Amino acid sequence: DVKVTQSSRYLVKRTGEKVFLECVQDMDHENMFWYRQDPGLGLRLIYFSYDVKMKEKGDIPEGYSVSREKKERFSLILESASTNQTSMYLCASSHTLGGQGAGAFFGQGTRLTVV
Amino acid sequence: RKEVEQDPGPFNVPEGATVAFNCTYSNSASQSFFWYRQDCRKEPKLLMSVYSSGNEDGRFTAQLNRASQYISLLIRDSKLSDSATYLCVVNYMNTGFQKLVFGTGTRLLVSP
Repeated sequence: DVKVTQSSRYLVKRTGEKVFLECVQDMDHENMFWYRQDPGLGLRLIYFSYDVKMKEKGDIPEGYSVSREKKERFSLILESASTNQTSMYLCASSHTLGGQGAGAFFGQGTRLTVV
Repeated sequence: RKEVEQDPGPFNVPEGATVAFNCTYSNSASQSFFWYRQDCRKEPKLLMSVYSSGNEDGRFTAQLNRASQYISLLIRDSKLSDSATYLCVVNYMNTGFQKLVFGTGTRLLVSP
């Protein structure tokens, strides 16, 4: 079974703190993603990576950065946390399957509250 | 126009009923499609992949209509445990890498 593991289920941070969210996958997937999910807005893509050290901006990258130094690990960084970054953060990974792309598998999510 | 659109519901159905959800997408270059199931406060889980015209897995059938740019999910003989939010996901390859676009989900409530 594919396993995608996020480092924390729940986090509470203060405004202005630098926050690191870690994600590890064990299936040698090329692609990794960070989403946030908010009520009524669905999943919105923050950043994704299709290879080690490669990263691409998603739809809402402002206020975030990412790091992918190893294939299995994709980190999301909130440079200076703000209250509007309170959300559920979901990491996912997938294979590139014959040029079509396969379904992604998600971690359990990190519920971040910024106070 | 949103890239992927779904009726948010909720769809309230009795046990044993058949229910269908539709999802429309705007990018004609989309190559593959997925249905995910998400339970309250949990992560989305892959339910079905749709690479050609359709796919069937037990009580679940997914269909793809490329000409009209929609996919559907049919659930037969609904169970209480089918109550969840169903997310439509569209995938396309963009300059060599994969982009997944999620709909906001359709909520299903199955009652006794």
